[in-house]
Amino acid sequence: DTEVTQTPKHLVMGMTNKKSLKCEQHMGHRAMYWYKQKAKKPPELMFVYSYEKLSINESVPSRFSPECPNSSLLNLHLHALQPEDSALYLCASRSGPEGTEAFFGQGTRLTVV
Amino acid sequence: GQNIDQPTEMTATEGAIVQINCTYQTSGFNGLFWYQQHAGEAPTFLSYNVLDGLEEKGRFSSFLSRSKGYSYLLLKELQMKDSASYLCAVKVQAGTALIFGKGTTLSVSS
Repeated sequence: DTEVTQTPKHLVMGMTNKKSLKCEQHMGHRAMYWYKQKAKKPPELMFVYSYEKLSINESVPSRFSPECPNSSLLNLHLHALQPEDSALYLCASRSGPEGTEAFFGQGTRLTVV
Repeated sequence: GQNIDQPTEMTATEGAIVQINCTYQTSGFNGLFWYQQHAGEAPTFLSYNVLDGLEEKGRFSSFLSRSKGYSYLLLKELQMKDSASYLCAVKVQAGTALIFGKGTTLSVSS
């Protein structure tokens, strides 16, 4: 199983809603990442978890709150988002901080209305 | 800051060979990656270089020169399905995530 699974695939939410994005992998990877990608732009790093601990937060606004409940799961909790937060949110994992290939999930297409 | 440059767009015809260049100026270097991304889909891994030289994998090859801060991705025998965005990414130091260039959109025509 070389898959990173993200749910939901699409999400439309209002600016007062609270929602969560989920990411799951069963490859035993110990490094997991959230990226944000706007149309025709490269992925931008948001958060890095290494061995279930948050190791990098790229100055992301507090309306995005990551959580890593165990080594297979990574969540991104969303609250009070703005329309400019609409983007493709990608989860990725790597065997460890020293690992090479990063596997990406299919992403969640988020629209904030 | 970190700077990774790639051409924005390239076009080529089926069966041809195309070379996509990437230059980088980063605070450190611990490997360079190439990813392919079709519209609306996740990036998929193509290649990884950490030492100078050429890595070949089927129709795809990637080259790295660390002294020049330069890499290229070579695609041979182009097919229509190779139309996609090609992302160059650098791992600045061990234990960090990838920093992506803006990507090169390749259009392959018949």
